[in-house]
Amino acid sequence: AQKVTQAQTEISVVEKEDVTLDCVYETRDTTYYLFWYKQPPSGELVFLIRRNSFDEQNEISGRYSWNFQKSTSSFNFTITASQVVDSAVYFCALSERGGGTSYGKLTFGQGTILTVHP
Amino acid sequence: DAGVIQSPRHEVTEMGQEVTLRCKLISGHNSLFWYRQTMMRGLELLIYFNNNVPIDDSGMPEDRFSAKMPNASFSTLKIQPSEPRDSAVYFCASRLDRGVEAFFGQGTRLTVV
Repeated sequence: AQKVTQAQTEISVVEKEDVTLDCVYETRDTTYYLFWYKQPPSGELVFLIRRNSFDEQNEISGRYSWNFQKSTSSFNFTITASQVVDSAVYFCALSERGGGTSYGKLTFGQGTILTVHP
Repeated sequence: DAGVIQSPRHEVTEMGQEVTLRCKLISGHNSLFWYRQTMMRGLELLIYFNNNVPIDDSGMPEDRFSAKMPNASFSTLKIQPSEPRDSAVYFCASRLDRGVEAFFGQGTRLTVV
């Protein structure tokens, strides 16, 4: 069975600090996909990034960066120089690609509430 | 494309009434997810369809909940009879294929009094 764990329930930082959100996953499949979503106070769920299990190259996009490590089953997300507008709930998610019973089921972690104070 | 469209955005109903939530998928997408979000339980997957076929409904709370896809672009989630503990935000999401991201609707905030 697939499982996603976000151990940090809430994180509070001051503007301009760097912050890393942790995500650990469990899967028996060799082919899978990992995602990060953002849910701002307005409530919608916004897709941020996707990574497949064969691509461990880390990515930087502006102030956002992602660190994928298969050896530790982790897919962490870092915001550099945080801003008040980054305040939101961030969700990590996993989808298996293989032919197992999950057949593409998309499972989310419990989410991390990030508050950035001015 | 207009994105995933859910209706209604807000629903207030009395306990015991039937509630129907609606979702229009993004054109061409073949996977559909219904999620429920509460403070206590976070984002729970209720049911997952692929090519109009229910693949996993293990998250459907009980027989009071049912979901259908009468065609490839539309889905309903019905609760009958509704109970106060069903109060939550219900999201649907659609996806082009198993290996890509899902796009979410704006959600329906359901309050059962």
